[in-house]
Amino acid sequence: DVVMTQSPLSLPVTLGQPASISCRSSQSLVYSDGNTYLNWFQQRPGQPPRRLIYKVSNRDSGVPDRFSGSGSGTDFTLKISRVEAEDVGVYYCMQGTHWPPWTFGQGTKVEIK
Amino acid sequence: QVQLVESGGGVVQPGRSLRLSCAASGFSFSTYGMHWVRQAPGKGLEWVAVIWYDGSNKYYADSVKGRFTISRDDSKTTLYLQMNSLRADDTAVYYCARGGSLTEQFDYWGQGTLVTVSS
Repeated sequence: DVVMTQSPLSLPVTLGQPASISCRSSQSLVYSDGNTYLNWFQQRPGQPPRRLIYKVSNRDSGVPDRFSGSGSGTDFTLKISRVEAEDVGVYYCMQGTHWPPWTFGQGTKVEIK
Repeated sequence: QVQLVESGGGVVQPGRSLRLSCAASGFSFSTYGMHWVRQAPGKGLEWVAVIWYDGSNKYYADSVKGRFTISRDDSKTTLYLQMNSLRADDTAVYYCARGGSLTEQFDYWGQGTLVTVSS
């Protein structure tokens, strides 16, 4: 199974400042079709997960452009350019290349300082 | 709009069974694969099972293989998860999520239903 490792696991940030979350996979996430199926999810307190980013860098509909994804192979990053109060929650990366199983990172808790 | 509504959760004793449902609307259910994902209290997300759009393939996490069965009824646009031989470590919120193409996977989630396994 592909292991997804996120860092940091806790990320205190100041409102208006940038934030960055790293995600590493135990093997390359490049699929046979040439795409890389790495997703990012946001889970606000008491809410279900919401997909923010698919295929490394594509924002889902309605996702603010302060969220961006980047990376390749085994190393990926989610960036929030200017953190807002509504961004508080836990962020997960997930690989959809080597399945089953689909595997998630441990989660990174973003909180306001 | 796409809606996924889970139901069927509750408190159940170890060793007993429970069936979860996920009612889908707002999309062509019969053309999409569907997933179950769970989250133990205070923990992260764990993929549980998937069923292909036509029911031809089903896959399970090792932690539930042989105990859980995923199924679907396209006439009712409903996804199911039959959970047998429940254990305390099955306690979690269970979410259904839409599958589809590799790009569409997990693009929509339900609100979840809580299953508590306790004597």
